[in-house]
Parts: sequence; C-alpha cells; structure tokens
Amino acid sequence: AQSVSQHNHHVILSEAASLELGCNYSYGGTVNLFWYVQYPGQHLQLLLKYFSGDPLVKGIKGFEAEFIKSKFSFNLRKPSVQWSDTAEYFCAVSLYGQNFVFGPGTRLSVLP
Amino acid sequence: GAVVSQHPSRVICKSGTSVKIECRSLDFQATTMFWYRQFPKKSLMLMATSNEGSKATYEQGVEKDKFLINHASLTLSTLTVTSAHPEDSSFYICSARDIQTTGDTQYFGPGTRLTVL
Repeated sequence: AQSVSQHNHHVILSEAASLELGCNYSYGGTVNLFWYVQYPGQHLQLLLKYFSGDPLVKGIKGFEAEFIKSKFSFNLRKPSVQWSDTAEYFCAVSLYGQNFVFGPGTRLSVLP
Repeated sequence: GAVVSQHPSRVICKSGTSVKIECRSLDFQATTMFWYRQFPKKSLMLMATSNEGSKATYEQGVEKDKFLINHASLTLSTLTVTSAHPEDSSFYICSARDIQTTGDTQYFGPGTRLTVL
C-alpha cells in the first residue's frame, strides 16, 4: 500500500527564513504529487501539483516543489517565508484513477 | 479554480438524531467525491469514497450504516450521520475529484463542524 511521510511535525521559522518541507512516498510506479495548505480556520487549498514534465513545479504564493524520482521525494520550498505562511501543509500522492494518500501534515509557524 | 461547497458549515444536534451534510462541486462534474474526518491537530482520515450512481466504498473501521453516503448526481454527494453520538463530533470535510478540466486533482470543501450534545 502507498504511504506518504512528512519529515517534520512542526517547523518554526522567523520571517524571511528559507523553508523546505520534506515529503517522501512509498510507491514505485507513476504517481501524481500534490501539496495542499490549510491556513488557520480555512479549508484545504491546492498549493501545487506535479503530473509529469519539468520536475521543478511552481505553485501559488512563491512556493515550489521538486520531484526527485530516485529519492521518491517531493519537497516543498520557499526562499523567504512570511508570517502569513503560518499554516498546516499536507503532501499527497495519487495513482491516476485511484485514491489519494495524504501525509500526516507539517505545521509551519512563522514568527514575525 | 475549481470550487467545492459544503453545507452546513456548523451543526449542533442532540444525541440520537441524524444530520445530513451536503457537498457540491460548483463548476465541474465530479464522478468521485471523498469524505474525510479531521481531528484536532491531526491529518485527514479518509472515511469513504463516493461514486456517482453506485455505492460508496468505505474505509476499514468506518460503519457504513452509521455514515450513509449518497452521490445521486455529478455535482452532489451527501453524508448522513445517523443516530449521532458525542463521539461523532468532529470536523467533516468533503472533496471532489476533477479529472476532466484540471487533471486528476482533488478540491476540498470548507468543512462542516459537527457537535453532538
């Protein structure tokens, strides 16, 4: 069965610091990869996704993620975080036509 | 982008009563919708997959007779919590799968906070 792991449970950063959130998955076949964000009191929103092509994917709000097939990873990055990036971040993996599997989430706290 | 709505956003009910939650995809058709529970400071727990025109597929440990799912149209799925008990109090989130317009992507509703007294 597929599984998704996220390296950090809670990350605390100061504003302007760089961010990298780890995501690894266990399936060896072709997968679709996603990062979702849940801001406090809000619903889950799609941040970015990778289906194929350029492994460096750019999403909204300055986020990007890099798919490294050999490492089964899809890490999320942002060069300079803002206080408004405080949220819960979820990595998800799916096989086309099959269920999505979500990681446990990483809580990001950005200190002003 | 694709929008998914849920109604109601909050509901308080007495123990033993039933509550229906609606999930609608507003600008795309979704043959598949999903229902999740989210516990405080925890990830999403998939409860069931709702398929338009057929029976829902429930995850292990989820009581199908307690959590009734109906997906009668390509834009609407409903979750009915029957004979609700306080332990059913939770945040219920639906998502709709958009395959046609944006690739195979899930879009989430805003969630429904259920409190059972």
